[in-house]
Amino acid sequence: GAGVSQSPSNKVTEKGKDVELRCDPISGHTALYWYRQSLGQGLEFLIYFQGNSAPDKSGLPSDRFSAERTGGSVSTLTIQRTQQEDSAVYLCASSLGPSIYNEQFFGPGTRLTVL
Amino acid sequence: GDSVTQMEGPVTLSEEAFLTINCTYTATGYPSLFWYVQYPGEGLQLLLKATKADDKGSNKGFEATYRKETTSFHLEKGSVQVSDSAVYFCALSLNQAGTALIFGKGTTLSVSS
Repeated sequence: GAGVSQSPSNKVTEKGKDVELRCDPISGHTALYWYRQSLGQGLEFLIYFQGNSAPDKSGLPSDRFSAERTGGSVSTLTIQRTQQEDSAVYLCASSLGPSIYNEQFFGPGTRLTVL
Repeated sequence: GDSVTQMEGPVTLSEEAFLTINCTYTATGYPSLFWYVQYPGEGLQLLLKATKADDKGSNKGFEATYRKETTSFHLEKGSVQVSDSAVYFCALSLNQAGTALIFGKGTTLSVSS
């Protein structure tokens, strides 16, 4: 079956512009996670969704970052007024449920470059 | 806070060599431990996991044992192949529903024939 998909695969933007990154989880997966992979920081958690709710937003680095999930499926991560330090690979993962026994399946990521 | 520390790479080995990638953790409570692998051009994949002390996770010839006394989860393989060249991430999850993974910074393994 289809895995987690993310779009776009690459995004180049100018400093100050807004960007939207999309994640399509595996069908039937209720839990969805966003992570960021950057050279200096490694892989960092951003936000977790269970259904359409986000019980844990503790990893969002600033109020320029927001995310939503609709229909218990697709999620969008929005970064407003992008800065150069936002350049990273943004990864999405989904799992059947929130239990730690449910494997998280990762998408291929969106590489964001802010010029 | 909770964290994972793994050896820095790159690790360069010849085919059929023995591999160890060290991983230690700091966590409140008793976490579950994972190794993820990222092959060139591909997404992160779960390689193996262990959910309690003394458990051994294994997959594709790789093994790691959850050592609570040394807070470690070292990855080993007896004979690496060129196809094992990838970035390996050690991670932990606190045993609470919906808890995100906490990753180490990754170790790049390069195997030559």
